[in-house]
Amino acid sequence: NAGVTQTPKFQVLKTGQSMTLQCAQDMNHEYMSWYRQDPGMGLRLIHYSVGAGITDQGEVPNGYNVSRSTTEDFPLRLLSAAPSQTSVYFCASSYSPPGGARDTQYFGPGTRLTVL
Amino acid sequence: RKEVEQDPGPFNVPEGATVAFNCTYSNSASQSFFWYRQDCRKEPKLLMSVYSSGNEDGRFTAQLNRASQYISLLIRDSKLSDSATYLCVVKAGTYKYIFGTGTRLKVLA
Repeated sequence: NAGVTQTPKFQVLKTGQSMTLQCAQDMNHEYMSWYRQDPGMGLRLIHYSVGAGITDQGEVPNGYNVSRSTTEDFPLRLLSAAPSQTSVYFCASSYSPPGGARDTQYFGPGTRLTVL
Repeated sequence: RKEVEQDPGPFNVPEGATVAFNCTYSNSASQSFFWYRQDCRKEPKLLMSVYSSGNEDGRFTAQLNRASQYISLLIRDSKLSDSATYLCVVKAGTYKYIFGTGTRLKVLA
């Protein structure tokens, strides 16, 4: 199993550009999520999905879109990049049922995004 | 008040020392609790889940105190390889995980 994969690893954008961060998992997990991590702050949830065709907003959704057309893939789209979106982005997945050992979230290696 | 609070550290300890971290959470309805480890510029990885009765995994012991709403992590016989940031994570809803900002540990030779 490759686990959770993310591409690209690094990206530099200019203000106003759009791009898609890719995330894929091969563990047949129902739950997938996107977080951003900024210095001095914990990981903050951007969007999440509980299964193909179902997505919902997290804590900081503005400026981002997601879709979940398959169980495996959960791309994050930046519509019009802003310097405030400079961050490290992590994708994560887990089994949906709450509680217990299957509740573990597995993270991808992250994408380091800089918006100039 | 943050939903999950941790002392950011850093905790600088010599090899072989015992070190403990605490984490407090504000939502009394929180369901599940975890400690994750994050190495510099890497993704977080699960260290251990935290159960009400307390649990141990080798040199690591986790405790949960629901009445006082805190979680602790004890590391015995610290190794250089334990140097990392330790994230306290609380599951506050079916799909809502709240991450603390992390506690940095540096184990010194």
